[in-house]
Amino acid sequence: GQQLNQSPQSMFIQEGEDVSMNCTSSSIFNTWLWYKQDPGEGPVLLIALYKAGELTSNGRLTAQFGITRKDSFLNISASIPSDVGIYFCAGQRGTSYGKLTFGQGTILTVHP
Amino acid sequence: DTEVTQTPKHLVMGMTNKKSLKCEQHMGHRAMYWYKQKAKKPPELMFVYSYEKLSINESVPSRFSPECPNSSLLNLHLHALQPEDSALYLCASSHIGRGRVAGEKLFFGSGTQLSVL
Repeated sequence: GQQLNQSPQSMFIQEGEDVSMNCTSSSIFNTWLWYKQDPGEGPVLLIALYKAGELTSNGRLTAQFGITRKDSFLNISASIPSDVGIYFCAGQRGTSYGKLTFGQGTILTVHP
Repeated sequence: DTEVTQTPKHLVMGMTNKKSLKCEQHMGHRAMYWYKQKAKKPPELMFVYSYEKLSINESVPSRFSPECPNSSLLNLHLHALQPEDSALYLCASSHIGRGRVAGEKLFFGSGTQLSVL
């Protein structure tokens, strides 16, 4: 099936540091989404991207839809302890309505 | 209100039991989804309902039976499950269309943590 390669798999950082994670694919996607999931909870939508080249911010979060439509990145600036969790990218292709392809997730740990 | 509500939060069942998971949303979304998620893995799509009709079944075993009684409710009926079915079951909803063929944002509930003994 369709694969999204998300990296890194895990990150251990100090509070206040910036974080960057990305997803790549061999296929084109029409939509990129970034979710965060806390233990025992469902994924929460952080940012949605719909156009190639689009750069969108949500507070300390910034995400971009790659020009080639095959990749996306998420940056978190000035990390805080509550940023801890698993971050998933997800893509949707134009021909597969209703079906998101998820990356494997990035586990983020923030040390105070 | 941008909430998808799932009940129960936790469920323990034996392999011979019959149980149901419930999901409710009041965002006016006409697409609803069931996902299964193992620990530290991404969610896996099970079913998609569009306008209360089943539109996608990802080859899910028949011991999982979805039902969409109306545009706000989604159920997942469970029967004769196996221990390997233990997982977090997530419900999600989204708008349909708005001029786009695809690419709608999915909003997830908190999930039901299911343990099959």
